[in-house]
Amino acid sequence: QKEVEQNSGPLSVPEGAIASLNCTYSDRGSQSFFWYRQYSGKSPELIMFIYSNGDKEDGRFTAQLNKASQYVSLLIRDSQPSDSATYLCAVNIPYGQNFVFGPGTRLSVLP
Amino acid sequence: GAVVSQHPSWVICKSGTSVKIECRSLDFQATTMFWYRQFPKQSLMLMATSNEGSKATYEQGVEKDKFLINHASLTLSTLTVTSAHPEDSSFYICSAPRTITYNEQFFGPGTRLTVL
Repeated sequence: QKEVEQNSGPLSVPEGAIASLNCTYSDRGSQSFFWYRQYSGKSPELIMFIYSNGDKEDGRFTAQLNKASQYVSLLIRDSQPSDSATYLCAVNIPYGQNFVFGPGTRLSVLP
Repeated sequence: GAVVSQHPSWVICKSGTSVKIECRSLDFQATTMFWYRQFPKQSLMLMATSNEGSKATYEQGVEKDKFLINHASLTLSTLTVTSAHPEDSSFYICSAPRTITYNEQFFGPGTRLTVL
């Protein structure tokens, strides 16, 4: 079983819709969860992180964490074509400084 | 956010030569840095963990003699691809965690290596 799983996509949504990206992880000891966005040919950039169960909102982005079910999601409201990218879920390794990255979900927002 | 730089941003070299890539944390100190490789349309693959003042830790399958890592200071790690071959052509990205509590990792802009 892979440690961090994501649907590879592509996930296509129309402009203005809500894009929902999901991620599951296997290590129950994980405590911090991160979402990165990667445009083609560029390095990943941090969108937000979450460490408590529930929702965390930042502008059009909302991260949701459910530790009991071992999943974390990212909602993008009012999706824009500029949101088209690969979204990487990352989970920290307990007591370490490294992350385990999921394979990424490719999002395409159609104008 | 924190700033991590990489140099060069792209490099083209002949097969058999060595290439050095630098990764710097510009506004924070990083005792640990990570080196990733990414092939087209694939996810990040962790190559090694660079530790300031000690030997790097390599992931399984990564040749330590081919990918030399040096972390000489709290703000600089270097990756040297020795005797590069066309199959080493890839996008190399470094990252550094800024805080101890949440370990947000910040990525450098990446270095695109093309070996002819």
